[in-house]
Amino acid sequence: NAGVMQNPRHLVRRRGQEARLRCSPMKGHSHVYWYRQLPEEGLKFMVYLQKENIIDESGMPKERFSAEFPKEGPSILRIQQVVRGDSAAYFCASSPATSGGRKTQYFGPGTRLLVL
Amino acid sequence: AQSVAQPEDQVNVAEGNPLTVKCTYSVSGNPYLFWYVQYPNRGLQFLLKYITGDNLVKGSYGFEAEFNKSQTSFHLKKPSALVSDSALYFCAVRVDNAGNMLTFGGGTRLMVKP
Repeated sequence: NAGVMQNPRHLVRRRGQEARLRCSPMKGHSHVYWYRQLPEEGLKFMVYLQKENIIDESGMPKERFSAEFPKEGPSILRIQQVVRGDSAAYFCASSPATSGGRKTQYFGPGTRLLVL
Repeated sequence: AQSVAQPEDQVNVAEGNPLTVKCTYSVSGNPYLFWYVQYPNRGLQFLLKYITGDNLVKGSYGFEAEFNKSQTSFHLKKPSALVSDSALYFCAVRVDNAGNMLTFGGGTRLMVKP
């Protein structure tokens, strides 16, 4: 009964490169959420996806960031032309189909992005 | 807009003593409240949640939390702390029928000393 899987666990990029973060939800979960955690801070919501649909991207920066959850395969958070301020831990969470938000979100181990 | 406050950056307690980690929230609508724990370089582990019903919620590892609507609080408690409880604790809220995103507090570091 695998939990939420994220890879890579650690990612180092130079300024201007692209970062791709992957998330495989728990078995039976169809909803994926991405959060960002800056050092010594709480998590901030970025985007909420279902298969082939972005439901809520109100927390996503307007430029350089995109997310997808294709019909097959993991969800991808993509950051283009990374800058030092993108250095953070990025967490993925998943939940079953929700009913008014009662379902618990279960988190993966995170990807720690360091931009040099 | 919804928000969560964890007024203490750090809580220190001796092993065997009771612990409380405070959380207050502000929402428009019915709140769903959650506690998560984060160990160093790890993801968040779910501890417990309040959805409806009994105000006292029991969760994993002996933790419990009490929902207090009048004080808009959801403090995390444990009768007897263990050194292994030392970690970062996050309170989070979601509002019924207002999106699925969790809004997190800033976190409280719990230090349990032997």
